[in-house]
Amino acid sequence: EVQLVESGGGLVQPGGSLRLSCAASGFTFSTHWMSWVRQAPGKGLEWLANIKGDGTYKYHVDSVKGRFTISRDNAKNSLYLQMDSLRAEDTAVYYCARDQILVAKGGQDYWGQGTLVTISS
Amino acid sequence: DIQMTQSPSSLPASVGDRVTITCRASQSISTYLNWYQQKPGKAPRLLIYAASSLQSGVPSRFSGSGSGTDFTLTISSLQPEDFATYYCQQSDIAHTFGQGTKLEIK
Repeated sequence: EVQLVESGGGLVQPGGSLRLSCAASGFTFSTHWMSWVRQAPGKGLEWLANIKGDGTYKYHVDSVKGRFTISRDNAKNSLYLQMDSLRAEDTAVYYCARDQILVAKGGQDYWGQGTLVTISS
Repeated sequence: DIQMTQSPSSLPASVGDRVTITCRASQSISTYLNWYQQKPGKAPRLLIYAASSLQSGVPSRFSGSGSGTDFTLTISSLQPEDFATYYCQQSDIAHTFGQGTKLEIK
């Protein structure tokens, strides 16, 4: 059974840093692109970043570029999101998700339960 | 950046209704369009990928169509468990979600 379990969320002051983790199991982690997606309270979904299976390619959306960094450790079946210079508008539930490999660019077929990040003084 | 616009934002409907949600891309994305369902407090669920392919385990009352810039998600006969928020997502260049359509009980 595919499982994605996020951790690392919490309350952080503006300007602070946080590292989110996502533990993957039930599939060959290194063969899948992985993504981070967030959802601010009462708002829609915002896709943030993805990383290729071998870690050689990464993409970050402009709203987090230079502040957030996606990475992975295939030996530990883990995905990470390093978040620096955090702002109030980064408050959201953060999801990790697996990109499906049935077809190229086919969306995210498995999602974690999400971890809440709150930025407040 | 590719922008995705969904309509309507809210859709009142009744059990048994046939409903259609539309999604428009700001530029052609071929068929790199996915649809998700999200219920309150839950993670999104992939329903349709590549514009018209049904994800495994998704009921056949869900269908998708379109290519280029205009896409639709159709639910042929609404069931009680279908009341949720639906998002389109382009995956041609990076990924971008639409703003969502809340399917509500009329």
